Amino acid sequence: EIVLTQSPATLSLSPGERATLSCRASQSVSTSLAWYQQKPGQAPRLLIYDASNRATGIPGRFSGSGSGTDFTLTISSLEPEDFAVYYCQQRTDWLFTFGPGTKVDVK
Amino acid sequence: QVQLHQWGAGLLKPSETLSLTCVVSGESFSGYYWSWIRQPPGKGLEWIAEIIYSGSTNYNPSLKSRVSISIDTSKNQFSLKVTSVTAADTAVYYCARRQLRKDWFDPWGQGTLVTVSS
Repeated sequence: EIVLTQSPATLSLSPGERATLSCRASQSVSTSLAWYQQKPGQAPRLLIYDASNRATGIPGRFSGSGSGTDFTLTISSLEPEDFAVYYCQQRTDWLFTFGPGTKVDVK
Repeated sequence: QVQLHQWGAGLLKPSETLSLTCVVSGESFSGYYWSWIRQPPGKGLEWIAEIIYSGSTNYNPSLKSRVSISIDTSKNQFSLKVTSVTAADTAVYYCARRQLRKDWFDPWGQGTLVTVSS
């Protein structure tokens, strides 16, 4: 089973600042990696698929990069609605796994 | 636009069977995989199982012995059963869609909190 680790666990930033979130896989997943945003009491929302493609309706301030084992989600300038928990997710064979999440909170 | 709406019993006793259903509206039911994913309170996400319209299934090996997923294409709905529940099964359960040959989930249902307590 491929294990995903995310860092940092918590990222404290101010609106307008740049957020850089990391996701590392225990083995190569090529570019088969997705990112989700989850706000309290809500279901996760797809942000990025195939490592770098924005999902429909996702603002351009969200971008993803990486391949193999190291991936990054970047929020270029934090808006108030971006403070949330972010999860990465991969698929290998018929098993899907998620990272433990990074919480982006207000500094 | 596709919508997923889910329901099921929210409070169970240990050893009982968890049962949840998700109905899909607004788009074709065929041509997709339909999944269940859960999230214990304050914790991360765990994929449970998926099924396609033909009835073919995939399960998380860690849960496979207690989990069953089924589909009713005539009603555009799919269901999850988890037997012999314990407090460790307490979680918000989500249904979600995955396109064929894609590796991500979109959209998700609203979530159902299932609490296991004696």
